[in-house]
Amino acid sequence: AQKVTQAQTEISVVEKEDVTLDCVYETRDTTYYLFWYKQPPSGELVFLIRRNSFDEQNEISGRYSWNFQKSTSSFNFTITASQVVDSAVYFCALSERTGNQFYFGTGTSLTVIP
Amino acid sequence: DAGVIQSPRHEVTEMGQEVTLRCKPISGHNSLFWYRQTMMRGLELLIYFNNNVPIDDSGMPEDRFSAKMPNASFSTLKIQPSEPRDSAVYFCASSFGRAQETQYFGPGTRLLVL
Repeated sequence: AQKVTQAQTEISVVEKEDVTLDCVYETRDTTYYLFWYKQPPSGELVFLIRRNSFDEQNEISGRYSWNFQKSTSSFNFTITASQVVDSAVYFCALSERTGNQFYFGTGTSLTVIP
Repeated sequence: DAGVIQSPRHEVTEMGQEVTLRCKPISGHNSLFWYRQTMMRGLELLIYFNNNVPIDDSGMPEDRFSAKMPNASFSTLKIQPSEPRDSAVYFCASSFGRAQETQYFGPGTRLLVL
């Protein structure tokens, strides 16, 4: 079974629209960490956020916000007023207190149309 | 501060040739990871070093792949002999601490085996 599921393979939005990227995870550990990375067309992987399992407060950083809900095992990412520069593949990832792995989702490709 | 440095950025080689990919982690980081990214399989962890010691190499595809970390500031991933199915983008990442900590990725090496 997938540890991290990003059900949305591709999303297209028109510039200035809001968009939410879904991430559902699966773990038996009580201590774990969730991440989002951005991979723009240039190819590098850029770290966006890290959240631990004990911190369910939502996070806002400029136009980016993250909603962590343990009850639904989700860690969704919202971009407000999307811009063309937001076009990228976004990866959600999970690491557990036990183990040596980062479990990456399959990514969501976001295209923002001008 | 310099990020993770990888070389070469692009490599084109012929089947059967030896390929060596290089990585310099962020100074002070004590964990290093090699990943492979393909369209078919997404991001796969190949090997994880902590304090220069290989901790998890279960993702190394086969004996043709080998990785070394002779010191805290340098690692290599070698493929010998290379095959067309090895064509992928290979990322190196580093973190301070163990696998649960935030990983910072290099720009990747795009490998094409003809």
